[in-house]
Amino acid sequence: DVKVTQSSRYLVKRTGEKVFLECVQDMDHENMFWYRQDPGLGLRLIYFSYDVKMKEKGDIPEGYSVSREKKERFSLILESASTNQTSMYLCASSLTPGDGMNTEAFFGQGTRLTVV
Amino acid sequence: AQTVTQSQPEMSVQEAETVTLSCTYDTSESDYYLFWYKQPPSRQMILVIRQEAYKQQNATENRFSVNFQKAAKSFSLKISDSQLGDAAMYFCAYRRTGNQFYFGTGTSLTVIP
Repeated sequence: DVKVTQSSRYLVKRTGEKVFLECVQDMDHENMFWYRQDPGLGLRLIYFSYDVKMKEKGDIPEGYSVSREKKERFSLILESASTNQTSMYLCASSLTPGDGMNTEAFFGQGTRLTVV
Repeated sequence: AQTVTQSQPEMSVQEAETVTLSCTYDTSESDYYLFWYKQPPSRQMILVIRQEAYKQQNATENRFSVNFQKAAKSFSLKISDSQLGDAAMYFCAYRRTGNQFYFGTGTSLTVIP
């Protein structure tokens, strides 16, 4: 089974802190994603990466950056956490359509981040 | 930009009954993929069902089936014989042949015993 693991389920940080959210997948997927989930807004894409060291901005990249130094690991960085970044963060990975039948995204268990 | 619309923020169904969740999407592509995901209180997103746009036959997975209307850009999920464990948030998602997924805002399903 594909496994996507996020480093923390719950995190509490102070305003202004630098925050790292880590995500690791074990299925050699080239694509990895970071989403933010808020009630009534669904999942909104922050950044995605289609290869090592490659990244593209999603719909809400402001205040975030990412790092992908190895294929299996995709990190989300909040350079200076703010209270409006309190949210649920979901990491996902997938193959690229055409590589095989499994075109869906596989998700981690989510990190609920609270910034105080 | 592609958008996915789920017009029902909340739905409820009696146990053992059937419920249909609606989803529409906007795209100019002809080749794409559609998904329904389930997110129970545990927060783990689980794939329920997948549909390839080039396939005319509607996908089915046990009690879950879809009604895929490509011309109408509609992709509804039918849950038959609803069970208490079906209670969750359901998200419709679209993926074109590139890399990005686009998600709807979700429908919260309550199953009444």
